[in-house]
Amino acid sequence: QKEVEQNSGPLSVPEGAIASLNCTYSDRGSQSFFWYRQYSGKSPELIMFIYSNGDKEDGRFTAQLNKASQYVSLLIRDSQPSDSATYLCAVNNNDMRFGAGTRLTVKP
Amino acid sequence: DAGITQSPRHKVTETGTPVTLRCHQTENHRYMYWYRQDPGHGLRLIHYSYGVKDTDKGEVSDGYSVSRSKTEDFLLTLESATSSQTSVYFCAISGQTSGTSTDTQYFGPGTRLTVL
Repeated sequence: QKEVEQNSGPLSVPEGAIASLNCTYSDRGSQSFFWYRQYSGKSPELIMFIYSNGDKEDGRFTAQLNKASQYVSLLIRDSQPSDSATYLCAVNNNDMRFGAGTRLTVKP
Repeated sequence: DAGITQSPRHKVTETGTPVTLRCHQTENHRYMYWYRQDPGHGLRLIHYSYGVKDTDKGEVSDGYSVSRSKTEDFLLTLESATSSQTSVYFCAISGQTSGTSTDTQYFGPGTRLTVL
């Protein structure tokens, strides 16, 4: 079992819809959780981090964390074609572990 | 890229040759990391540094060594490159200038290495 699991996709949504990206992790001691966006051929860039159970909103992005279920998600509202990228979930408990990423395509 | 540069950006080399990749930061962050990224595996940690001359191994450290003689520079060396080391290598940094660690990592632009 991988330490951080994501559905590889591709996930395809129409422009304007909500994209929902999911991530599960195995280390119950994990303290902090991150979502990165990576465009093809580019480096990962931080979108959001979350430390506490519940929701955290930043513009069109909402991160949701449920430590009891070992689950973290990212919602993208009003999806735009420019959101098309691979989204990496990362989990930190003294060292950072990354999922393999979910490829998102937003169709105009 | 949060004041992080990597060199070279692209390199093609032959099996058995030594290769050194450089990561340079202008942020004065304490922690520096080397990752490799391969399809289906995501980002995997090779080595990291928590200060000048202080380094430790990550999950895929075999065949790699690192050095950090200055805060701003972190070098990754492939002592004798193999085809399995063909990958994209990313450097990352974290930590505040005050020395207090934060775990948000910021990535450099990457180096694409091909070993023939």
